[in-house]
Amino acid sequence: SYELTQPPSVSVSPGQTASITCSGDKLGDKYVCWYLQKPGQSPLLVIYQGSKRPSGIPERFSGSNSGNTATLTISGTQAMDEADYFCQAWDSSTVVFGGGTNLTVL
Amino acid sequence: QVQLVQSGAEVKNPGASVKVSCKASGFTFTGYYLHWVRQAPGQGLEWMGRINPNSGGTDYAQKFQGRVTMTRDTSISTAYMELSRLRSDDTAVYYCTRDQTAFDIWGQGTMVTVSS
Repeated sequence: SYELTQPPSVSVSPGQTASITCSGDKLGDKYVCWYLQKPGQSPLLVIYQGSKRPSGIPERFSGSNSGNTATLTISGTQAMDEADYFCQAWDSSTVVFGGGTNLTVL
Repeated sequence: QVQLVQSGAEVKNPGASVKVSCKASGFTFTGYYLHWVRQAPGQGLEWMGRINPNSGGTDYAQKFQGRVTMTRDTSISTAYMELSRLRSDDTAVYYCTRDQTAFDIWGQGTMVTVSS
């Protein structure tokens, strides 16, 4: 079965750039979505189709996808961005999620 | 207001079944697939399957084939997910979510606890 691999944790200082990766076989050929989830809340879509932002999502969130790796980039990271981040893609009519990355802002 | 509102928390014995509801409002219920995703305590997101509210057609993740049933009632814009033969490792928060190219709207989640 298809797998998406994320680092378990990433740390970033406030105001700096955070990058969270998501790896999978030929992932660049697929549409990738990114979700953030804060404790006790439902997931929130922040990037879809690899690089598009839904309305209401700050411009500091951006995405890219090429080869075997998709990347979520948060520029000028703020304390409020501290959350778990999950990548997601489709493979053979099945939805696959990455294991999630805990972003710490300190 | 576009939203999905789920039923309340459930506590079930091992071997029992649970049925979770997801009521849609603010959008055309039959216009979007609805998916079910679960999250065990402290764990990641796990896709269970989806339903086409227009046709009633379903696709289930292989892991849940034979144990999960997704249905809908278009008259009340509500989707249902029933999981049978519950085990302790089915303890999780269960979410419904709307598919508009991506999962753009999520329910608030329903905690299902399986314990004797």
